[in-house]
Amino acid sequence: GESVGLHLPTLSVQEGDNSIINCAYSNSASDYFIWYKQESGKGPQFIIDIRSNMDKRQGQRVTVLLNKTVKHLSLQIAATQPGDSAVYFCADSSRGAGGYNKLIFGAGTRLAVHP
Amino acid sequence: DVKVTQSSRYLVKRTGEKVFLECVQDMDHENMFWYRQDPGLGLRLIYFSYDVKMKEKGDIPEGYSVSREKKERFSLILESASTNQTSMYLCASSYLAQVRTDTQYFGPGTRLTVL
Repeated sequence: GESVGLHLPTLSVQEGDNSIINCAYSNSASDYFIWYKQESGKGPQFIIDIRSNMDKRQGQRVTVLLNKTVKHLSLQIAATQPGDSAVYFCADSSRGAGGYNKLIFGAGTRLAVHP
Repeated sequence: DVKVTQSSRYLVKRTGEKVFLECVQDMDHENMFWYRQDPGLGLRLIYFSYDVKMKEKGDIPEGYSVSREKKERFSLILESASTNQTSMYLCASSYLAQVRTDTQYFGPGTRLTVL
Protein backbone atom coordinates (compact mmCIF):
# COMPACT_ATOMS: atom_id res chain seq x y z
CA GLY A 1 0.00 0.00 0.00
CA GLU A 2 0.91 3.65 -0.05
CA SER A 3 3.18 4.93 2.65
CA VAL A 4 5.31 7.93 3.29
CA GLY A 5 7.92 7.43 5.93
CA LEU A 6 10.91 9.10 7.47
CA HIS A 7 14.35 7.68 8.10
CA LEU A 8 15.01 9.41 11.43
CA PRO A 9 12.50 10.34 14.11
CA THR A 10 14.80 12.95 15.76
CA LEU A 11 17.55 15.13 14.39
CA SER A 12 19.78 17.29 16.58
CA VAL A 13 21.91 20.03 15.02
CA GLN A 14 24.00 22.95 16.16
CA GLU A 15 22.80 26.44 15.40
CA GLY A 16 24.32 27.61 12.14
CA ASP A 17 24.78 24.13 10.72
CA ASN A 18 22.85 22.81 7.76
CA SER A 19 20.06 20.30 8.43
CA ILE A 20 18.90 17.49 6.19
CA ILE A 21 15.62 15.72 6.81
CA ASN A 22 14.86 12.66 4.72
CA CYS A 23 11.68 11.04 3.55
CA ALA A 24 10.89 7.90 1.57
CA TYR A 25 7.71 7.19 -0.33
CA SER A 26 6.39 4.00 -1.85
CA ASN A 27 3.85 5.08 -4.45
CA SER A 28 5.66 5.33 -7.75
CA ALA A 29 2.66 7.20 -9.19
CA SER A 30 3.08 10.07 -6.72
CA ASP A 31 3.75 13.27 -8.56
CA TYR A 32 3.51 15.99 -5.94
CA PHE A 33 5.20 16.33 -2.57
CA ILE A 34 4.97 18.85 0.23
CA TRP A 35 7.00 19.60 3.32
CA TYR A 36 5.27 20.95 6.40
CA LYS A 37 6.67 22.38 9.62
CA GLN A 38 4.76 21.98 12.87
CA GLU A 39 5.79 23.99 15.89
CA SER A 40 4.66 23.00 19.34
CA GLY A 41 1.00 23.78 19.91
CA LYS A 42 0.37 24.81 16.31
CA GLY A 43 -0.98 23.24 13.17
CA PRO A 44 1.34 22.24 10.31
CA GLN A 45 2.56 25.09 8.13
CA PHE A 46 3.43 24.75 4.45
CA ILE A 47 7.16 25.14 3.75
CA ILE A 48 7.82 24.08 0.18
CA ASP A 49 6.52 21.72 -2.47
CA ILE A 50 7.91 19.96 -5.52
CA ARG A 51 6.44 18.20 -8.52
CA SER A 52 7.83 15.00 -9.92
CA ASN A 53 9.02 16.71 -13.10
CA MET A 54 11.61 18.52 -10.98
CA ASP A 55 14.66 17.27 -9.08
CA LYS A 56 15.25 20.31 -6.95
CA ARG A 57 13.42 23.35 -5.73
CA GLN A 58 14.73 26.16 -3.59
CA GLY A 59 13.04 28.51 -1.22
CA GLN A 60 14.33 30.88 1.37
CA ARG A 61 16.98 28.87 3.27
CA VAL A 62 15.24 25.64 2.31
CA THR A 63 15.82 23.26 -0.58
CA VAL A 64 13.85 20.15 -1.45
CA LEU A 65 15.50 17.39 -3.47
CA LEU A 66 13.56 14.63 -5.17
CA ASN A 67 15.08 11.36 -6.35
CA LYS A 68 12.40 9.45 -8.18
CA THR A 69 14.68 6.52 -8.92
CA VAL A 70 14.86 5.54 -5.26
CA LYS A 71 11.63 7.27 -4.25
CA HIS A 72 13.29 9.58 -1.80
CA LEU A 73 13.03 13.25 -1.01
CA SER A 74 14.87 15.46 1.41
CA LEU A 75 14.50 18.87 2.97
CA GLN A 76 17.66 20.87 3.46
CA ILE A 77 17.68 23.84 5.82
CA ALA A 78 20.66 26.16 5.54
CA ALA A 79 22.15 27.89 8.57
CA THR A 80 19.68 26.30 10.96
CA GLN A 81 18.28 28.65 13.57
CA PRO A 82 16.57 28.02 16.92
CA GLY A 83 13.28 29.03 15.29
CA ASP A 84 13.62 26.04 12.99
CA SER A 85 13.07 23.68 15.91
CA ALA A 86 9.87 21.83 15.08
CA VAL A 87 8.49 18.59 13.69
CA TYR A 88 8.79 18.32 9.93
CA PHE A 89 6.41 16.23 7.83
CA CYS A 90 6.62 15.19 4.26
CA ALA A 91 3.39 14.48 2.44
CA ASP A 92 2.62 12.75 -0.80
CA SER A 93 -0.29 13.66 -3.00
CA SER A 94 -2.06 10.72 -4.54
CA ARG A 95 -5.39 10.21 -6.18
CA GLY A 96 -7.75 8.54 -3.75
CA ALA A 97 -11.09 6.86 -4.19
CA GLY A 98 -13.49 8.84 -6.35
CA GLY A 99 -10.62 10.55 -8.15
CA TYR A 100 -10.02 13.14 -5.46
CA ASN A 101 -6.50 13.89 -4.41
CA LYS A 102 -5.47 13.42 -0.83
CA LEU A 103 -2.29 13.88 1.10
CA ILE A 104 -0.57 11.02 2.88
CA PHE A 105 1.69 12.17 5.69
CA GLY A 106 4.76 10.62 7.19
CA ALA A 107 5.11 10.25 10.95
CA GLY A 108 7.36 13.31 11.20
CA THR A 109 10.94 14.13 12.19
CA ARG A 110 11.68 16.30 15.17
CA LEU A 111 14.44 18.84 14.54
CA ALA A 112 16.18 20.11 17.67
CA VAL A 113 18.51 23.07 17.24
CA HIS A 114 21.12 23.59 19.96
CA PRO A 115 22.92 26.90 20.56
CA ASP B 1 -3.14 34.97 4.25
CA VAL B 2 -5.23 31.85 4.54
CA LYS B 3 -6.84 31.53 7.89
CA VAL B 4 -8.29 28.33 9.28
CA THR B 5 -9.76 28.56 12.75
CA GLN B 6 -10.98 25.87 15.08
CA SER B 7 -13.56 26.48 17.78
CA SER B 8 -11.54 25.20 20.72
CA ARG B 9 -7.84 24.68 21.49
CA TYR B 10 -8.51 22.32 24.36
CA LEU B 11 -11.57 20.24 25.13
CA VAL B 12 -12.31 17.72 27.87
CA LYS B 13 -15.33 15.44 27.52
CA ARG B 14 -16.68 12.33 29.18
CA THR B 15 -17.15 8.93 27.62
CA GLY B 16 -20.47 8.73 25.80
CA GLU B 17 -20.86 12.46 25.27
CA LYS B 18 -21.62 13.87 21.83
CA VAL B 19 -18.80 16.16 20.77
CA PHE B 20 -18.77 18.84 18.08
CA LEU B 21 -15.55 20.26 16.67
CA GLU B 22 -15.97 23.26 14.42
CA CYS B 23 -13.69 24.56 11.71
CA VAL B 24 -13.99 27.74 9.67
CA GLN B 25 -11.84 28.92 6.75
CA ASP B 26 -11.91 32.35 5.18
CA MET B 27 -10.35 31.66 1.76
CA ASP B 28 -13.37 30.31 -0.10
CA HIS B 29 -11.67 26.92 -0.41
CA GLU B 30 -13.70 24.12 -1.92
CA ASN B 31 -12.08 21.35 0.07
CA MET B 32 -11.96 20.84 3.80
CA PHE B 33 -10.43 18.02 5.81
CA TRP B 34 -10.38 16.59 9.30
CA TYR B 35 -7.33 14.72 10.58
CA ARG B 36 -6.32 13.29 13.87
CA GLN B 37 -2.72 13.38 14.97
CA ASP B 38 -1.26 10.85 17.38
CA PRO B 39 2.38 10.38 18.44
CA GLY B 40 4.24 8.11 16.07
CA LEU B 41 1.30 7.83 13.69
CA GLY B 42 1.44 11.20 11.99
CA LEU B 43 -1.72 12.69 10.52
CA ARG B 44 -4.53 10.37 9.58
CA LEU B 45 -7.45 11.51 7.48
CA ILE B 46 -10.88 11.05 9.06
CA TYR B 47 -13.20 12.72 6.55
CA PHE B 48 -13.02 15.32 3.85
CA SER B 49 -15.47 17.40 1.90
CA TYR B 50 -15.09 18.81 -1.59
CA ASP B 51 -18.31 20.82 -1.65
CA VAL B 52 -21.20 21.92 0.49
CA LYS B 53 -23.22 18.94 1.73
CA MET B 54 -20.68 16.55 0.19
CA LYS B 55 -18.42 14.29 2.23
CA GLU B 56 -16.02 11.44 1.68
CA LYS B 57 -14.61 8.96 4.15
CA GLY B 58 -10.93 9.13 4.84
CA ASP B 59 -8.77 6.39 6.29
CA ILE B 60 -10.27 6.22 9.78
CA PRO B 61 -13.93 7.37 9.67
CA GLU B 62 -15.27 4.92 12.27
CA GLY B 63 -16.81 6.66 15.25
CA TYR B 64 -16.99 10.02 13.47
CA SER B 65 -19.36 11.92 11.25
CA VAL B 66 -19.14 15.31 9.56
CA SER B 67 -21.36 18.12 8.41
CA ARG B 68 -20.81 20.80 5.81
CA GLU B 69 -23.82 23.06 5.52
CA LYS B 70 -21.83 26.13 4.43
CA LYS B 71 -18.74 26.36 2.28
CA GLU B 72 -16.63 27.97 4.97
CA ARG B 73 -17.57 25.63 7.81
CA PHE B 74 -16.81 21.95 8.36
CA SER B 75 -17.84 20.19 11.55
CA LEU B 76 -16.54 16.94 13.00
CA ILE B 77 -18.94 15.04 15.24
CA LEU B 78 -18.15 12.31 17.70
CA GLU B 79 -21.53 10.69 18.26
CA SER B 80 -20.48 8.93 21.47
CA ALA B 81 -17.00 9.87 22.57
CA SER B 82 -14.66 7.10 23.69
CA THR B 83 -11.29 7.24 25.40
CA ASN B 84 -9.52 6.05 22.26
CA GLN B 85 -10.65 9.23 20.56
CA THR B 86 -8.41 11.28 22.81
CA SER B 87 -6.18 13.00 20.29
CA MET B 88 -5.19 16.21 18.53
CA TYR B 89 -7.69 17.06 15.81
CA LEU B 90 -6.59 19.18 12.89
CA CYS B 91 -8.75 20.84 10.29
CA ALA B 92 -7.39 21.85 6.90
CA SER B 93 -8.64 23.42 3.69
CA SER B 94 -7.45 23.65 0.11
CA TYR B 95 -8.45 24.68 -3.37
CA LEU B 96 -9.86 22.41 -6.07
CA ALA B 97 -9.13 18.77 -5.31
CA GLN B 98 -8.77 17.75 -8.88
CA VAL B 99 -6.14 20.30 -9.69
CA ARG B 100 -2.73 19.14 -8.66
CA THR B 101 -2.05 22.03 -6.38
CA ASP B 102 -2.95 20.22 -3.24
CA THR B 103 -1.43 22.40 -0.58
CA GLN B 104 -3.57 22.17 2.49
CA TYR B 105 -3.70 24.94 5.07
CA PHE B 106 -4.15 23.87 8.65
CA GLY B 107 -5.85 25.27 11.69
CA PRO B 108 -4.14 25.34 15.11
CA GLY B 109 -5.70 22.09 16.25
CA THR B 110 -8.03 21.01 19.04
CA ARG B 111 -6.60 18.77 21.72
CA LEU B 112 -9.48 16.57 22.86
CA THR B 113 -9.32 14.50 26.02
CA VAL B 114 -12.04 11.94 26.66
CA LEU B 115 -12.26 10.78 30.27
